[in-house]
Amino acid sequence: GENVEQHPSTLSVQEGDSAVIKCTYSDSASNYFPWYKQELGKRPQLIIDIRSNVGEKKDQRIAVTLNKTAKHFSLHITETQPEDSAVYFCAASIGGGSQGNLIFGKGTKLSVKP
Amino acid sequence: NAGVTQTPKFQVLKTGQSMTLQCAQDMNHEYMSWYRQDPGMGLRLIHYSVGAGITDQGEVPNGYNVSRSTTEDFPLRLLSAAPSQTSVYFCASSSPGQGNYGYTFGSGTRLTVV
Repeated sequence: GENVEQHPSTLSVQEGDSAVIKCTYSDSASNYFPWYKQELGKRPQLIIDIRSNVGEKKDQRIAVTLNKTAKHFSLHITETQPEDSAVYFCAASIGGGSQGNLIFGKGTKLSVKP
Repeated sequence: NAGVTQTPKFQVLKTGQSMTLQCAQDMNHEYMSWYRQDPGMGLRLIHYSVGAGITDQGEVPNGYNVSRSTTEDFPLRLLSAAPSQTSVYFCASSSPGQGNYGYTFGSGTRLTVV
């Protein structure tokens, strides 16, 4: 079945450094790729997403890149701050996305040390 | 606009008991789903619905039932609770028919089965 692999599972950086989380997906029909941030004890929150017709998208300190040929996408966080510490999940739509289902990676726990 | 509302927030069940987790959304989203979140496993799809009267199974449906009698409500029923169902459950909704593929999550239900 469809699968999303996410790496690394844990990531520790110094405040001010950049962080990169990578995901690969198996369904070549996937066309929507969101990223979620989940703080301890809270619900996942959508922080950025990208569609398959776009190669890169930025929103202030976060950016997402997509390589459809290689079937991988990445989250980039620049100038990290302690409040960026959380678990980050990538996801990919199953098929073209019209049905609504997303398949999630297993998450990356990001720790930003002050 | 309350978004996605889940109740209860916490629940302890004895093995063999049944219960219903409630989920309601006020955004007129046609798509609703239930995920369970276990440590190191990410978010796994239990059941989903693409509209009132329509439900389907996800990746881990065994032991759970759902119904969708209205657009707003999507309850999840545990038929006979087992310790393996100890998890955090999230309800999510979206509107792919309107081009809104990103999920809005409820605040979660932490369920313990003893």
